[in-house]
Amino acid sequence: EVQLVETGGGLIQPGGSLRLSCAAPEFSVSSSYMNWVRQAPGKGLEWVSVIYSGGSTYYADSVKGRFTISRDNSKNTLYLQMNSLRAEDTAVYYCARVLYCSRTRCYLYYMDVWGKGTTVTVSS
Amino acid sequence: SYVLTQPPSVSVAPGQTARITCGGNNIGSKSVHWYQQKPGQAPVLVVYGDSDRPSGIPERFSGSNSGNMATLTISRVEAGDEADYYCQVWDSSSDHYVFGTGTKVTVL
Repeated sequence: EVQLVETGGGLIQPGGSLRLSCAAPEFSVSSSYMNWVRQAPGKGLEWVSVIYSGGSTYYADSVKGRFTISRDNSKNTLYLQMNSLRAEDTAVYYCARVLYCSRTRCYLYYMDVWGKGTTVTVSS
Repeated sequence: SYVLTQPPSVSVAPGQTARITCGGNNIGSKSVHWYQQKPGQAPVLVVYGDSDRPSGIPERFSGSNSGNMATLTISRVEAGDEADYYCQVWDSSSDHYVFGTGTKVTVL
């Protein structure tokens, strides 16, 4: 079973910074499309950011300019650098692999593998 | 930005059929994916590309998509199907991923 393992969550004060990591032992992060998705307590899923295999990155408006998605090909690890954290960033953060194609067609963009999540709490 | 609307809750008796809708402007022109999330767990993909199932997902889970509405249908509902369900699409105009508001399925 393909796995993803997130680490780096914790309690941080408003205005602080935190870097989340997502390790993928069984496939190449650099060859994949990878998402970060978060879920605030008692709320629904919210897409945060994507990095494509070619290196292009996109962000939700709520985090643009504060968060940076990146990857380290040598460590096969995905990152999310979070700066200027706010109380509303409090959530469980999941990394997920995005598949563009199935066996029969493309332009799908769905998430087939998810990590168990890491919790970020922004509070003074 | 593109918006997906789901009913907050659906209740169904065991053995019956649950239908969860996902409304969006011309959603029929997009590929819709569905995720199941149980309390304290990560989401799990149950339907992708409107109606395909990943390996290991029972045939009881099926999907359809047309016009302004996509639907996830759970046939012969079991107690273990009780969970939150989210639809998701990729918005090509913004290159953003969009989740629906989520539906809590309760098995009576």
